[in-house]
Amino acid sequence: GAGVSQTPSNKVTEKGKYVELRCDPISGHTALYWYRQSLGQGPEFLIYFQGTGAADDSGLPNDRFFAVRPEGSVSTLKIQRTERGDSAVYLCASSLRGLGNTEAFFGQGTRLTVV
Amino acid sequence: AQSVAQPEDQVNVAEGNPLTVKCTYSVSGNPYLFWYVQYPNRGLQFLLKYITGDNLVKGSYGFEAEFNKSQTSFHLKKPSALVSDSALYFCAARHDSGAGSYQLTFGKGTKLSVIP
Repeated sequence: GAGVSQTPSNKVTEKGKYVELRCDPISGHTALYWYRQSLGQGPEFLIYFQGTGAADDSGLPNDRFFAVRPEGSVSTLKIQRTERGDSAVYLCASSLRGLGNTEAFFGQGTRLTVV
Repeated sequence: AQSVAQPEDQVNVAEGNPLTVKCTYSVSGNPYLFWYVQYPNRGLQFLLKYITGDNLVKGSYGFEAEFNKSQTSFHLKKPSALVSDSALYFCAARHDSGAGSYQLTFGKGTKLSVIP
C-alpha cells in the first residue's frame, strides 16, 4: 500500500481481556517497529522486526506483550490480560531496511482504551 | 544512556514570524537525528533527518534544522510560520541497540501553535 496501515484505529476493551493490533507495513519494507505513545509523551520503543524475526524486543514491558510477523510483512501485536495502564496509542512504523540511513514511516496508530 | 530532550512543552508564534523548536540530545557515537510532526488524529510524519554532512538540513514544508555538535542540539526552524504548521513536533535520535539493530528514542514533543 501507499503507507503503513494499522487496524483497528480505535479499540476499547475490558480489563483482563486479550487484544490484537494489526500493522500492514509499506510494501517491500523489511524493517518493522512497534512503539507505544502515552498521553503527553513521545513514542516509546517496544519491538523491532527485521524480516520475520524479532531483532530487538527489549522494549516490551512484560510477558503480557508479544508480537509476531510470520511472513515478514504484516505484524500483530498481542496483549494478554490487559490492564488500564496499557491504555495508549500503539504506533507501527516500517523502513526499507532498518534505520541505517533511512527514515521510518509511521501509521496512524491504534488507540487502545482499557476500561 | 541515550536521551532526547525538548525543553519546551509549547511554543507560540505569530503567523509570518520565524519559529524555532528546540531539541538537545545525548547519544554515544555519531548522532543520527530526526524530526517528525504529528497532526491531530494522524500518525507521525517525517520532516527531515541529519546523518552526516552539512549542519543545516532542509526538509519538508519549508522546515530546516541546524545540527550543532558542540551544543549537542538539533533545533527545528522555519523562516515564516503558517497557521497550518500548528501541530506536535517530535525530535528523535537513532540508537544502536546492538547487532545492527536500530531504534528511535523520542523526545516528549513540543506543541507548536501559530497564531493568526
